[in-house]
Amino acid sequence: ETGVTQSPTHLIKTRGQQVTLRCSSQSGHNTVSWYQQALGQGPQFIFQYYREEENGRGNFPPRFSGLQFPNYSSELNVNALELDDSALYLCASSYGGTQETQYFGPGTRLLVL
Amino acid sequence: QQQVKQSPQSLIVQKGGISIINCAYENTAFDYFPWYQQFPGKGPALLIAIRPDVSEKKEGRFTISFNKSAKQFSLHIMDSQPGDSATYFCAASRSAAGNKLTFGGGTRVLVKP
Repeated sequence: ETGVTQSPTHLIKTRGQQVTLRCSSQSGHNTVSWYQQALGQGPQFIFQYYREEENGRGNFPPRFSGLQFPNYSSELNVNALELDDSALYLCASSYGGTQETQYFGPGTRLLVL
Repeated sequence: QQQVKQSPQSLIVQKGGISIINCAYENTAFDYFPWYQQFPGKGPALLIAIRPDVSEKKEGRFTISFNKSAKQFSLHIMDSQPGDSATYFCAASRSAAGNKLTFGGGTRVLVKP
């Protein structure tokens, strides 16, 4: 059984650019959630995908968007990057849209200059 | 709006001692309360979780105490070991809203040998 993987591990972008982060969920999981973790803070919920449909969104602007593919892998896209977008982006997978254990990946560290 | 408040921000404990981390929540609709452990460069990993129908849950050296009337819950780490040095996050979610976690701000625990 493979765990949650994310790519890339690190990324440097400049303001105004666009970025795509990728996540492969754990085998057998059909739900993916994305979180943003600023330095020294707890993760904040961005959005969740369940069986390829968005299943809830946190307090993030529309320039944060996502996709889930038939194999349940997922992408997080951020347009018009701002300095405050610099953070660790975490992907978590689980089975079902209910309160099942979420398994987190190691994250992608994004730095916006 | 911070719906889950965690304290202390940091904690130093001697090997063999007890680490205690407290969390308070505002939303009475929360009905699932997990604790996560995060090491540097890694994603959060679930330690232990509790639902409001029980007041205490123990798994090995980790115990959650839950006080529904006070809207508070805490993590006790017994016989703390240097390998427990990490950042700990409490979280909460509502079953009606799926498993979208609201995290506390984190507690950095250092266990001195």
